[in-house]
Amino acid sequence: KQEVTQIPAALSVPEGENLVLNCSFTDSAIYNLQWFRQDPGKGLTSLLLIQSSQREQTSGRLNASLDKSSGRSTLYIAASQPGDSATYLCAYDQGGSEKLVFGKGTKLTVNP
Amino acid sequence: NAGVTQTPKFQVLKTGQSMTLQCAQDMNHEYMSWYRQDPGMGLRLIHYSVGAGITDQGEVPNGYNVSRSTTEDFPLRLLSAAPSQTSVYFCASSYSRGAAGDGEQYFGPGTRLTVT
Repeated sequence: KQEVTQIPAALSVPEGENLVLNCSFTDSAIYNLQWFRQDPGKGLTSLLLIQSSQREQTSGRLNASLDKSSGRSTLYIAASQPGDSATYLCAYDQGGSEKLVFGKGTKLTVNP
Repeated sequence: NAGVTQTPKFQVLKTGQSMTLQCAQDMNHEYMSWYRQDPGMGLRLIHYSVGAGITDQGEVPNGYNVSRSTTEDFPLRLLSAAPSQTSVYFCASSYSRGAAGDGEQYFGPGTRLTVT
């Protein structure tokens, strides 16, 4: 069965810290990997998409990397801010389909 | 662009009632899908469509029907609601693999459904 594991499930840090969120998967046929942010009671906002031929993507203070051989992706958040508090989800799709397989997320709290 | 829109935002149903959750996108995306999100379970795929007239089942399709008569709309129908269908429902869309675009998927704001 395809599985995505996100560790830790919850994380609380003081403002200004650099932090890393982890995503691991068992499927070797991964194509694209996407990181999302979800605020309480809201929908999913796409943060970064790493396409099949890429190894990392950057947007502002966010950097995501993908290592298919080890089945891992990391989301790096630099200089965290209280506004970064949310649940972060990773998801991948396979080469033959756009169907996403999701992890259960990491709930991040950045304390002022 | 409005992106992916969903209506209603909230709905309460009684067991056995039927309803349709609406989803629309204005990005000319071929691929559309429905997910449900439950505490501790993550998001699970219900149904998906790779284009008008084409639909297929996802991981948890029982109790739900879909159709895709236009590129823009992808409604989800609950034929006879059950308490187990209490959940938050999300619609998503993207360009299909091989078509224009990079495969990034966009999600709607969700519909929160309670079945009593």
